Amino acid sequence: ETGVTQSPTHLIKTRGQQVTLRCSSQSGHNTVSWYQQALGQGPQFIFQYYREEENGRGNFPPRFSGLQFPNYSSELNVNALELDDSALYLCASRFQGYDIQYFGAGTRLSVL
Amino acid sequence: TQLLEQSPQFLSIQEGENLTVYCNSSSVFSSLQWYRQEPGEGPVLLVTVVTGGEVKKLKRLTFQFGDARKDSSLHITAAQPGDTGLYLCAGLDNYGQNFVFGPGTRLSVLP
Repeated sequence: ETGVTQSPTHLIKTRGQQVTLRCSSQSGHNTVSWYQQALGQGPQFIFQYYREEENGRGNFPPRFSGLQFPNYSSELNVNALELDDSALYLCASRFQGYDIQYFGAGTRLSVL
Repeated sequence: TQLLEQSPQFLSIQEGENLTVYCNSSSVFSSLQWYRQEPGEGPVLLVTVVTGGEVKKLKRLTFQFGDARKDSSLHITAAQPGDTGLYLCAGLDNYGQNFVFGPGTRLSVLP
């Protein structure tokens, strides 16, 4: 049990739709990162939020966006879904400056 | 762009055997981490190595960080079916902000 919870656990969408995934960080953690993990691959960094501002981004298009709230929970939004967006989406929380991050169990997104 | 490679990609062994998996990069990392991920779950941190040449042991698992801090290895002694999973290495990028993950080694230990 890492203290990081994600919802929903599974989601099915159709191409072109929009989706919002949610993450509740471990208590006190001020930094949250989102990752995309395709089947059989390692996680790919999408972006990171620290104190409600994005402070790092991977090689993902602008239709991937996020929010971090004052209570450090966060959202990942994906617009105009494509078939290749089908993946496990993971969030991880940590204290800024520390390299130990804790992962949630992920949201499995299927785009049909 | 800092990249991490892992080998082998897949490994299937019998219970009781020993194995080593590798994580390599052409870049220097300030630290490297090893995670294990089981189906339907997020990665769980096993260890962080920080100093070049460092060796850490976690029960039957031995982790080593290369002298130049560009590579790492994970050795499992007397593997058990409970060791089955995806082993991922990850490094903090040069800015100390974001984690780069390797593609993982999928280990299957057969009883």
